[in-house]
Amino acid sequence: SQQGEEDPQALSIQEGENATMNCSYKTSINNLQWYRQNSGRGLVHLILIRSNEREKHSGRLRVTLDTSKKSSSLLITASRAADTASYFCATQNSGNTPLVFGKGTRLSVIA
Amino acid sequence: NAGVTQTPKFQVLKTGQSMTLQCAQDMNHEYMSWYRQDPGMGLRLIHYSVGAGITDQGEVPNGYNVSRSTTEDFPLRLLSAAPSQTSVYFCASSYSSVRPNYGYTFGSGTRLTVV
Repeated sequence: SQQGEEDPQALSIQEGENATMNCSYKTSINNLQWYRQNSGRGLVHLILIRSNEREKHSGRLRVTLDTSKKSSSLLITASRAADTASYFCATQNSGNTPLVFGKGTRLSVIA
Repeated sequence: NAGVTQTPKFQVLKTGQSMTLQCAQDMNHEYMSWYRQDPGMGLRLIHYSVGAGITDQGEVPNGYNVSRSTTEDFPLRLLSAAPSQTSVYFCASSYSSVRPNYGYTFGSGTRLTVV
């Protein structure tokens, strides 16, 4: 069963704009992760945020986590056409439990 | 360093046939798993393994078998293929199953069609 649910399902923006995707989940987590999937390819790990962290940065990516609201957001700043992909959040409940993925957000960045 | 290698990349099966999807990793990862991805459904966990000799079922295990005789390999067997098993299958691995906070490395997927 899906733990995380991304919003919106699809997002279309112009190159140079910022893209924000949200993820909500249902139960307590150990960590939350974001992945990117280009069309026809496997998923690529982008960033992991632990339950005791509130914000994390990696290059043009910024992830926030609000455990009281059971939600996370992924911000991509100054988007590029190459950022066009599907983005998935995934949650891990404890040390040795598998990741549970949401259904993803399809991001289109128009040049 | 190849990462996670899946073979074949594409496969067409007839209903009732059996086959094995191969997955190998060269990163000495303890944890390996199989997911299927269907349109609008995201990724659903089929089976996973926390180490050699140990496997467990995920959300959608019916119709699939796995074994983990070595750290490197985690094959997925379809016992009697059905059209409902038409999907894209991804193998993923992670460094440790008991210490959290490691991301998964995914293979490039196997696109399976059952006719």
